[in-house]
Amino acid sequence: ETGVTQSPTHLIKTRGQQVTLRCSSQSGHNTVSWYQQALGQGPQFIFQYYREEENGRGNFPPRFSGLQFPNYSSELNVNALELDDSALYLCASSLDASTTYEQYFGPGTRLTVT
Amino acid sequence: AQRVTQPEKLLSVFKGAPVELKCNYSYSGSPELFWYVQYSRQRLQLLLRHISRESIKGFTADLNKGETSFHLKKPFAQEEDSAMYYCALSIQGAQKLVFGQGTRLTINP
Repeated sequence: ETGVTQSPTHLIKTRGQQVTLRCSSQSGHNTVSWYQQALGQGPQFIFQYYREEENGRGNFPPRFSGLQFPNYSSELNVNALELDDSALYLCASSLDASTTYEQYFGPGTRLTVT
Repeated sequence: AQRVTQPEKLLSVFKGAPVELKCNYSYSGSPELFWYVQYSRQRLQLLLRHISRESIKGFTADLNKGETSFHLKKPFAQEEDSAMYYCALSIQGAQKLVFGQGTRLTINP
């Protein structure tokens, strides 16, 4: 069984740029959730994708967008980067949308915006 | 608004001592609560959920709706329990987990 993987591990971007983060879900899982974790804080829900459709969204502006592909892997895109976007971005997959509580997390992508 | 509060950012106890990590929540619906743990250099992982009422690695947590709490307890702490612990609330219909800020637990030998 393959766990959740994320790429890249680290990323440095300049304010105003755009970034794409990638996530491969655990084998057999069709639901992917994305979280932002600022330093010293708990993960904060960005949005969830279930069978290629957005299935819930947190309090993040529209410049945070996502995609889910037929193989259930997912992308998080952030446009017009701001300094406050610097954080660890976590991807988590679950068996389906009804088992969101049991999420399997990836190692995260550390984004630094300068 | 839904909120999870973990009042202690840091908690340090000696090996063999009891440990309690506090968690309070604010939610108007029927709560489903969980504890997630992150050991050093490992990923965030589910420790336990209140519905299952099971004990994992000696930890238990009871949902107290009157006090809106879901404290995590272990009678005898072990060094391998040192980790970051997050309390989380599942929001039905919104398909999301709301996490607390986390408590870093250190077990001293």
